[in-house]
Amino acid sequence: AQSVTQLGSHVSVSEGALVLLRCNYSSSVPPYLFWYVQYPNQGLQLLLKYTSAATLVKGINGFEAEFKKSETSFHLTKPSAHMSDAAEYFCAVGWRGNEKLTFGTGTRLTIIP
Amino acid sequence: ETGVTQSPTHLIKTRGQQVTLRCSSQSGHNTVSWYQQALGQGPQFIFQYYREEENGRGNFPPRFSGLQFPNYSSELNVNALELDDSALYLCASRPTGGTEAFFGQGTRLTVV
Repeated sequence: AQSVTQLGSHVSVSEGALVLLRCNYSSSVPPYLFWYVQYPNQGLQLLLKYTSAATLVKGINGFEAEFKKSETSFHLTKPSAHMSDAAEYFCAVGWRGNEKLTFGTGTRLTIIP
Repeated sequence: ETGVTQSPTHLIKTRGQQVTLRCSSQSGHNTVSWYQQALGQGPQFIFQYYREEENGRGNFPPRFSGLQFPNYSSELNVNALELDDSALYLCASRPTGGTEAFFGQGTRLTVV
């Protein structure tokens, strides 16, 4: 069985500040991990993914995430927040050979001018 | 732009009715999955199809059914609609051997 926990349903940061969105997972097999972003009334856009290669993964729009097996974490970071980063962010877990993704409940990121 | 198109974008139905949602994927994307996203929640896996056959299902009742066609299009059918079926329904496609799921913009279904 797999599960994802996103700590903090709402996160607010000032423009230019560090963004840190937390994700912890549970998986009985080596996981594939994903971060998706969702803007209002839109579908999901992939930010980045971990599929058992480098543990530090760089994605689009300046985001990156680090896979830490010992902590079962895959936190998303961005050094400097921009107003356009305001959106809902979802962490998801899957695994090789299975197409199903299990999503967390999401974190709404607000950027303070 | 993900190359995955869903229709319609919004839909209002009455409780007890039936609804069909449609998805068009990119050429070569042999796997399609459907997700239900209730308001304020993460997407929940409904089922997936590979080469026109269902090969995975989440915790959804049989009144949720689907079809996949050779032209990379697919349908989600829901019978006997209930108020709790109100949600954003997302279609995601994946090329064979690929690890990334490409999502459509979703269909917002409201059941009244």
